[in-house]
Amino acid sequence: SSVLTQPPSVSVAPGKTATITCGGDNIGTKSVHWYQQKPGQAPVLVIYSDTDRPSGIPERFSGSNSRNTATLTISRVEAADEADYYCQVWADSGDHREVFGGGTKLTVL
Amino acid sequence: QVQLVQSGAEVKKPGSSLKVSCKTSNYRFFDYGITWVRQAPGQGLEWMGWISAYNGKLNYAQKFQGRVTMTTDTDTATGYLELRSLTFDDTAVYYCARVRAPFYFDYWGQGTLVAVSS
Repeated sequence: SSVLTQPPSVSVAPGKTATITCGGDNIGTKSVHWYQQKPGQAPVLVIYSDTDRPSGIPERFSGSNSRNTATLTISRVEAADEADYYCQVWADSGDHREVFGGGTKLTVL
Repeated sequence: QVQLVQSGAEVKKPGSSLKVSCKTSNYRFFDYGITWVRQAPGQGLEWMGWISAYNGKLNYAQKFQGRVTMTTDTDTATGYLELRSLTFDDTAVYYCARVRAPFYFDYWGQGTLVAVSS
């Protein structure tokens, strides 16, 4: 099991804002990265270093990180955003269980 | 554009070994690392470890210590994952990805399905 805690599912209507959280002890002191994965496809990086977007990722995707919770926010949600989302950090100690969160299934209603 | 192309799907017997390749192109291989991540059917992403293409530095997830070997071939800009003593629980899609600081994965291979079956 992961020590990065994500809600298993989030549902949102098209055009609304989706918020996906990633909880962990003092996660605010680490760099958090987010990946989108659609069925049958490899993950795609959507946010890195808490808030940065790779080229080609819409501005509708944004991130934040503070204290014990990192957040991925998707504004003006579209049907194409329906996917699994994973948070990821690097923990340079222990058994690295906390590299990935358990994932959140985003459903667009 | 940066590409990581993985070897094809495999079926393995319990107790055997798998070796997956990850051929990279269109970037300086030495400047980045290669990580391996797997995903069992219907499950989340599981990090297995990473290797620096610059100096060969390795870091394996504790779960796989003693059973996994990651290598690189700088002549062909290819990374390799070897996993030994396979069990049914090793059935998964195995992904390679490029690692960059501060330890995130910006480009991914297409995945390699490995099925362990008797």
